[in-house]
Amino acid sequence: AQTVTQSQPEMSVQEAETVTLSCTYDTSESDYYLFWYKQPPSRQMILVIRQEAYKQQNATENRFSVNFQKAAKSFSLKISDSQLGDAAMYFCAYRINRDDKIIFGKGTRLHILP
Amino acid sequence: DGGITQSPKYLFRKEGQNVTLSCEQNLNHDAMYWYRQDPGQGLRLIYYSQIVNDFQKGDIAEGYSVSREKKESFPLTVTSAQKNPTAFYLCASSILGTGGAEAFFGQGTRLTVV
Repeated sequence: AQTVTQSQPEMSVQEAETVTLSCTYDTSESDYYLFWYKQPPSRQMILVIRQEAYKQQNATENRFSVNFQKAAKSFSLKISDSQLGDAAMYFCAYRINRDDKIIFGKGTRLHILP
Repeated sequence: DGGITQSPKYLFRKEGQNVTLSCEQNLNHDAMYWYRQDPGQGLRLIYYSQIVNDFQKGDIAEGYSVSREKKESFPLTVTSAQKNPTAFYLCASSILGTGGAEAFFGQGTRLTVV
């Protein structure tokens, strides 16, 4: 079965600090992409960052970066200099290139403490 | 403006009635998806489609049906066979075949069955 596991249902971080959200996945596919999405209280899904599975270099988007460990099937998200606007649900997902299926995890709710 | 439109935003139905959720996109995307979101369950894939007149079951297709008669439209019918239909439903679309293309989401429909 293809699954995505986010083991932290909720996390809190002090404003301006750094936080890491964990994600592991299970697939027998070799050609896929990984994503982190953010869902604020408006419930609109917003792409945060993506990672190509065949690239070893970790993706970075401003304050957001990932730690991609392909052998371990791990894909964690690091948020640096946390801001109040970062408070949201964060979902890890992967897309199988063979059939365009996109699978999501259960999410981590991130609280930012002022 | 290009985007994905889900309607209505809120929907109330009596138990035992079928109900259809609308999803329209003007992004010229080939792939379209339906997800169900419940608290603590993340996004679960119901159905997805890569081309007109074709679609595949996701992980929780029982009690749901879809059609893809036009590229722009992917309506979801929640049938009376769905045991617990009250949930938040998200529609998404994406480019096909380029690998790693992100999914763009609509605003969602909150369905309440009473």
